Amino acid sequence: AQSVTQLDSQVPVFEEAPVELRCNYSSSVSVYLFWYVQYPNQGLQLLLKYLSGSTLVKGINGFEAEFNKSQTSFHLRKPSVHISDTAEYFCAVSDGGSQGNLIFGKGTKLSVKP
Amino acid sequence: GAGVSQSPSNKVTEKGKDVELRCDPISGHTALYWYRQSLGQGLEFLIYFQGNSAPDKSGLPSDRFSAERTGGSVSTLTIQRTQQEDSAVYLCASSLGRTLGAEAFFGQGTRLTVV
Repeated sequence: AQSVTQLDSQVPVFEEAPVELRCNYSSSVSVYLFWYVQYPNQGLQLLLKYLSGSTLVKGINGFEAEFNKSQTSFHLRKPSVHISDTAEYFCAVSDGGSQGNLIFGKGTKLSVKP
Repeated sequence: GAGVSQSPSNKVTEKGKDVELRCDPISGHTALYWYRQSLGQGLEFLIYFQGNSAPDKSGLPSDRFSAERTGGSVSTLTIQRTQQEDSAVYLCASSLGRTLGAEAFFGQGTRLTVV
């Protein structure tokens, strides 16, 4: 069975600082990995995804994530955050096979302060 | 419609009553998911439908919860004899299913309050 662990429930940072949101997964099969973002009072939307190929993937709003198979991680990074990045970020995993289910972590609340 | 539609957007019910939550997925999407979002619990998987396959019900928390998907499109999540701990936002999502790494599109959710 798949599972996702987001190690930090809350991450406060100052504007223009770099940020890394951590995500580790477990799965017995090849996986597809996703980051979703939920802005205050809005629905979830896809930020980026890893399917195959280059382990560094770029998403919207300047975010990127790196797939590390040996460490079973898919950490999300941004070199310089803005106030508007304040949101909750969810990491998710899918095996993409006959199961195809999409399992989410508990989320990380990013608070960007001026 | 253009996106995933959920109704009602808000539901207040008395403890012990049954509720039905509806989800209209994006046309053509074969996969449909239900999640529960509670404070501090993130997105808790409930049930997953994929085409005509038997649904994955492994996330349903108790036998008071059930869901069906008629004609491979609209889905209804039913909670019987609601309890206060059922209060949460219930999210529905749909995707192209077996398409490689298909993105899941989410509805705005139904906020359920059990009083």
